[in-house]
Amino acid sequence: AQSVSQHNHHVILSEAASLELGCNYSYGGTVNLFWYVQYPGQHLQLLLKYFSGDPLVKGIKGFEAEFIKSKFSFNLRKPSVQWSDTAEYFCAVSQDTGRRALTFGSGTRLQVQP
Amino acid sequence: EAGVAQSPRYKIIEKRQSVAFWCNPISGHATLYWYQQILGQGPKLLIQFQNNGVVDDSQLPKDRFSAERLKGVDSTLKIQPAKLEDSAVYLCASSRSSAGYTFGSGTRLTVV
Repeated sequence: AQSVSQHNHHVILSEAASLELGCNYSYGGTVNLFWYVQYPGQHLQLLLKYFSGDPLVKGIKGFEAEFIKSKFSFNLRKPSVQWSDTAEYFCAVSQDTGRRALTFGSGTRLQVQP
Repeated sequence: EAGVAQSPRYKIIEKRQSVAFWCNPISGHATLYWYQQILGQGPKLLIQFQNNGVVDDSQLPKDRFSAERLKGVDSTLKIQPAKLEDSAVYLCASSRSSAGYTFGSGTRLTVV
């Protein structure tokens, strides 16, 4: 069975600081990788996804993530955060074949202080 | 395209009562998922449908939870009887392929 680990449960940053959220997964086969964001009171929204090709993936709102296969990692980055980035961030993985349901990490709550 | 519709948005019930949630996926999306998101945790898959057939219900507490997807479109998730630990947000999602999943706004259930 696959699993996803997010190392940071709660991150507090000042505006304009750089962000990196860690995500590691455990699954030996081919995977699809996702980062979702959940703003307070809103539904999950897709930030970016990786299926194949360039391991550096750019998403919406200036976010990017890098897939490092040897480390089973898919870390999320943003060079300069804004107050509006305050939200919960979830890393998720699905198997490339067979069952395609998403397995989520426990989430990282990001708080950006003005 | 319209999003995944869920209702109700909120529900408060007493323990041992029953409750049902409804989901209408995006038109044409064959796969439908129900997730449970407990406060402070990531969503956990409860059940996955492909059209009206169950693909995976290994994490569904079948002694109290049931779900159906008649005609391969709308789906209903039921809890009977509810326990305090069932308090969570119940999310419905649909997909056409692994390329994209669309989530509904969820139903927030509070069991008192």
